[in-house]
Amino acid sequence: AQSVTQLDSQVPVFEEAPVELRCNYSSSVSVYLFWYVQYPNQGLQLLLKYLSGSTLVKGINGFEAEFNKSQTSFHLRKPSVHISDTAEYFCAVSLGPGNTGKLIFGQGTTLQVKP
Amino acid sequence: EAQVTQNPRYLITVTGKKLTVTCSQNMNHEYMSWYRQDPGLGLRQIYYSMNVEVTDKGDVPEGYKVSRKEKRNFPLILESPSPNQTSLYFCASSLNRVTYEQYFGPGTRLTVT
Repeated sequence: AQSVTQLDSQVPVFEEAPVELRCNYSSSVSVYLFWYVQYPNQGLQLLLKYLSGSTLVKGINGFEAEFNKSQTSFHLRKPSVHISDTAEYFCAVSLGPGNTGKLIFGQGTTLQVKP
Repeated sequence: EAQVTQNPRYLITVTGKKLTVTCSQNMNHEYMSWYRQDPGLGLRQIYYSMNVEVTDKGDVPEGYKVSRKEKRNFPLILESPSPNQTSLYFCASSLNRVTYEQYFGPGTRLTVT
């Protein structure tokens, strides 16, 4: 069965510092990978996704993620964070071709950006 | 404006009293899904629908029902709610499969006493 593990429940960081939010998954088949962000009292919105091709994926708001098949990881990075990046971030996985409906989320990582 | 709407936004009810949470999208999306969000557990998928009259179970379907009679609507039904269904519920839609960007509704906070 597939699973997603976000290794940090909370990540405090100072403004303008770099940040990495870690995500590992387990699956015996190929997967599609996603990062979603949830701002306080809102629904989720897509930051970026990996379906195929280049393993370095760029998303909105200056975020990027790298798919590492051997490490089964999809870590999210930003070189310089802003206060407005404070939010909860979710990694998610969907099975590859043939299963396009089911989506499994990680537990979430709260990014706290301090001035 | 393209959006996913959910009603009600907040609901407090008692054990066993049937309830329906509505979800509607105005983007002509084929794919719709329901999730529940609980602290420390992230989001867990309850049911999803690939099109009208096509629904399938997610990871936590027990205690829930759904229907998709129209493309725009995907209601979530709790026939006999229990306290362990107290949660924050999100509806989402995307063009025609989960690999496309999902648009999330604002959430429904349900408390079952």
